[in-house]
This record gives sequence, C-alpha cells and structure tokens, in this order.
Amino acid sequence: NAGVTQTPKFQVLKTGQSMTLQCAQDMNHNSMYWYRQDPGMGLRLIYYSASEGTTDKGEVPNGYNVSRLNKREFSLRLESAAPSQTSVYFCASSEGRGQGVGNQPQHFGDGTRLSIL
Amino acid sequence: QQQVKQSPQSLIVQKGGISIINCAYENTAFDYFPWYQQFPGKGPALLIAIRPDVSEKKEGRFTISFNKSAKQFSLHIMDSQPGDSATYFCAASWVNTGNQFYFGTGTSLTVIP
Repeated sequence: NAGVTQTPKFQVLKTGQSMTLQCAQDMNHNSMYWYRQDPGMGLRLIYYSASEGTTDKGEVPNGYNVSRLNKREFSLRLESAAPSQTSVYFCASSEGRGQGVGNQPQHFGDGTRLSIL
Repeated sequence: QQQVKQSPQSLIVQKGGISIINCAYENTAFDYFPWYQQFPGKGPALLIAIRPDVSEKKEGRFTISFNKSAKQFSLHIMDSQPGDSATYFCAASWVNTGNQFYFGTGTSLTVIP
C-alpha cells in the first residue's frame, strides 16, 4: 500500500547545483504530476505526464525538466538550482488518460522539502 | 491568474461548530470539484468531490454545496473536531486538459477543544 513514493524527503542545495527528485507510484496509474507548494500560493503545477511517453508544461515549468521513465516513475530535475526554487515538491498520480478521459482524483506523495542556499 | 479563488485563508472554530470554506471559479468548462485535506508533513489527500450535475454531496460530517449559476462551491464541516485541524484545498478540473487540477490557495483550519 505504498501509493506514491517520493525521494528524498529533505534536501539542501547550494545555488547552481543540480539534482533530481524521484517519484514512483504502484497504482498502475496512467497520469503523473509534479507540483510545488509555497505559502499562500497553494499547489502549482510544474509539469505533468498524461500518459507514458508524453510530458507537458504546467503553470510554472521554467527551471525544471522532467522524465517519464516508465509507467511507474516520473522524475523532476533542477539543472541549476536557484533560491526561488526553495519549496515543497509534491508528486501525484491519477488514472486519467489525458484528453477525453479525466476527472479522476489525484493521489499525492508526502513531498520533498527542498532548500536552496 | 488564479483559476480558483479560496477563502478564508485561515479559520478558527470551536469544537462542535460548523466550519465553512468557500471557493469560486471563472471557467465554466470545469466539471469536477474535489476538496483535499492536508496535515503537516503530509501530502494532500482527497476528502470529497462533486460534479456539477448535483447541488450537494454529503459524506459523513463533510458536505459540498455547489452553485453552478454563481460559479461557487463550498465545504461544510459539521460538528468540527480537533482532529479536523488541517489545511484544506479546493480544486477544479476540466476533462479536456489532461486531467489538470487547478488548486485554491488553501485554508488553514484550527478547531479549538
């Protein structure tokens, strides 16, 4: 009953460093998502993958890249970290298959708390 | 541009009272409106959801009221308990956007014993 697993749970980086946040789901979901959560801003979508092999930009994609490695795994990469990217990052998955088949609830991991100095 | 506007930002309620959180949206194409509950250090978890073909949905102490003409929906927590203290997010989804969810900015609820 793992659901959505994110690693690492905490990370501190220096400005300019790179890192990859990992996400895996065991619910056989088609769609996966990366959000960032900042105080007073709610959850903002960075990138999503409606199905294996596809990725699309969300509301705040600048400074990030993603890879849908397979149906289970969806990673988020910061190539050159900036202090403005200090945030809590959440991965989510859902059964949705993209256009025409949506409205499925999203299931979230417990987040990665990332600080960039 | 905030697709879903949520209020209030914070709410304090006495145990046994009613907690009410409101959300408003502009895009009439939205057709799925979930509410998520988030405890500190955890990810959001689906609490209850409604589709626009009904005006109300109740699950236990939690009720969503939906007003399609006003483009508003609200969460009512009856008999609020200290264990309900959490952050609540409303969201809206449109089937034609890859199941993207647009979230409100959240309401921090504190229930005082």
